[in-house]
Amino acid sequence: EDQVTQSPEALRLQEGESSSLNCSYTVSGLRGLFWYRQDPGKGPEFLFTLYSAGEEKEKERLKATLTKKESFLHITAPKPEDSATYLCALPMDDYKLSFGAGTTVTVRA
Amino acid sequence: DAMVIQNPRYQVTQFGKPVTLSCSQTLNHNVMYWYQQKSSQAPKLLFHYYDKDFNNEADTPDNFQSRRPNTSFCFLDIRSPGLGDAAMYLCATSRDSRRDEQYFGPGTRLTVT
Repeated sequence: EDQVTQSPEALRLQEGESSSLNCSYTVSGLRGLFWYRQDPGKGPEFLFTLYSAGEEKEKERLKATLTKKESFLHITAPKPEDSATYLCALPMDDYKLSFGAGTTVTVRA
Repeated sequence: DAMVIQNPRYQVTQFGKPVTLSCSQTLNHNVMYWYQQKSSQAPKLLFHYYDKDFNNEADTPDNFQSRRPNTSFCFLDIRSPGLGDAAMYLCATSRDSRRDEQYFGPGTRLTVT
């Protein structure tokens, strides 16, 4: 059965303290992996798509990487505005997205 | 900027009173989706349209209906809202294939009194 698991559930960081979020998955035939950012009361904001192992994408302080079993979202020198819930999701056969439960990141000034 | 727009952002309805939420997109994407998201949960797909082809999720209650009159617009109708239908409703679009990323609107927060 296809599964997506994110860890940790919550992450509290000091401003400037770099860290990584994990998204591990089991799927029969990877069609890609998406990372989203979601602020409270808003819709998810698309960040990255990764399609193959070894691929990396960067945007400002965020860097996403992909292996055959997991993806990492690295946050380098985070700022308070990076506080959000980060979701990873895998596209399924039937246009459905299989979401992880998310990691809620809080960055303190 | 190309985007996904949802109206209204906040909707209050009474128990059992029909309500319609709307979504429009300027991305010219073929696929449009409706999701329900409850507090601290991941979005749950209700249905999607590939062009005019409607696809209902097996566990979507009959109380939820949808219309897509043209490429740009999609509506979510809740025929008889119950207290359990209070949630954030998210519209999303994707270009065409199953591998394309989905772009979400800002959501409509539905309150049922």
